[in-house]
Amino acid sequence: AQKVTQAQTEISVVEKEDVTLDCVYETRDTTYYLFWYKQPPSGELVFLIRRNSFDEQNEISGRYSWNFQKSTSSFNFTITASQVVDSAVYFCALSVPPPRGGGNKLTFGTGTQLKVEL
Amino acid sequence: DAGVIQSPRHEVTEMGQEVTLRCKPISGHDYLFWYRQTMMRGLELLIYFNNNVPIDDSGMPEDRFSAKMPNASFSTLKIQPSEPRDSAVYFCASSERGNDHEQYFGPGTRLTVT
Repeated sequence: AQKVTQAQTEISVVEKEDVTLDCVYETRDTTYYLFWYKQPPSGELVFLIRRNSFDEQNEISGRYSWNFQKSTSSFNFTITASQVVDSAVYFCALSVPPPRGGGNKLTFGTGTQLKVEL
Repeated sequence: DAGVIQSPRHEVTEMGQEVTLRCKPISGHDYLFWYRQTMMRGLELLIYFNNNVPIDDSGMPEDRFSAKMPNASFSTLKIQPSEPRDSAVYFCASSERGNDHEQYFGPGTRLTVT
């Protein structure tokens, strides 16, 4: 079975600080996909990034960066120079191919509530 | 392009009533998913469809829940009869193809059963 652990329930930072959100996953599959989603106070879930298990390159998108390390089964998310608008719940998720192919069942972590204050 | 559309955005109903939630996926997406989010259980996958066919409904809580997808552009999730413990936010999501593609979520329907 798959599992995603986000041990940090809530993080509070002051604007302009850097913050890293941790994600640890468990799966026996060698092919899998990792995702991060953002859920702002308005409630919708916004897709941020997808990474497959064969691509361990780190990725940077503006103030966001992701560090994927298979050796530690982690897919951490860093926000540089945080802003108040970054305040949201962030979810890490994992999907694996079903035995018969197809499908996209996401296993979500419990989320990390990030609060960025002035 | 329009994203995933859900209606209603909010629904308040009395226990025992039938509730129908609606979803229009992104055009061209082959997969449609229904999720439920609660504080206690987080995000749970209820059911998903591929090309309008239900593939996995193992997450549907009980027989009171049913979902249909009569065509590629419309799906419903029905609860009959509703109970207070069904109160949650229900999300619909769609995906272009299989597990290597991200899912795009609708704004959700906040259901309150009194």
